[in-house]
Amino acid sequence: AQSVTQLDSQVPVFEEAPVELRCNYSSSVSVYLFWYVQYPNQGLQLLLKYLSGSTLVESINGFEAEFNKSQTSFHLRKPSVHISDTAEYFCAVSGGTNFGNEKLTFGTGTRLTIIP
Amino acid sequence: EAQVTQNPRYLITVTGKKLTVTCSQNMNHEYMSWYRQDPGLGLRQIYYSMNVEVTDKGDVPEGYKVSRKEKRNFPLILESPSPNQTSLYFCASSLTAGSSYEQYFGPGTRLTVT
Repeated sequence: AQSVTQLDSQVPVFEEAPVELRCNYSSSVSVYLFWYVQYPNQGLQLLLKYLSGSTLVESINGFEAEFNKSQTSFHLRKPSVHISDTAEYFCAVSGGTNFGNEKLTFGTGTRLTIIP
Repeated sequence: EAQVTQNPRYLITVTGKKLTVTCSQNMNHEYMSWYRQDPGLGLRQIYYSMNVEVTDKGDVPEGYKVSRKEKRNFPLILESPSPNQTSLYFCASSLTAGSSYEQYFGPGTRLTVT
């Protein structure tokens, strides 16, 4: 069975400061890892994903995440946040295959609040 | 525009009154899924469908039913809603059932059962 831990339920950050949202997972098999973002009153959108290859993955809006297999982590970082980054961020894991219902297992979410 | 739509967006109902939340996608996706989102619990899968007429239980299926008669639609049915089903519900779809494929989420349905 897989599980995801997001230890920080809320993270307040000043505008233009860096941020790291932590995600740790447990799984007995290889995994795919995802970060989804939920803006206020909207559904979730894929921010970035790790399937294989380079352990550092980037999004189009400046976020990046690094897959660390030894520490079973997939932390999300941004060097300089903007007001528009205010949202809830969910880390998710799925089995590392494309067979059957390899469903996503979500963490409990981290609410990122940007302080002007 | 590629999207997943859900209706209604907000619903307040009473215990025991049957209701249906509709979900529709216009991307010709094979895989569809329902989640509920509760504070401190993240998203949990209720039911999923790998294609037309193929549905199965997720992690929290009790009290829910689904059907998949057409590829684009995947309604969620609460035959006899109870207060513990008060939650935020999301429908999602992806190209196929493989876990590497991005899931596209609807805007959510906030349900309150009194």
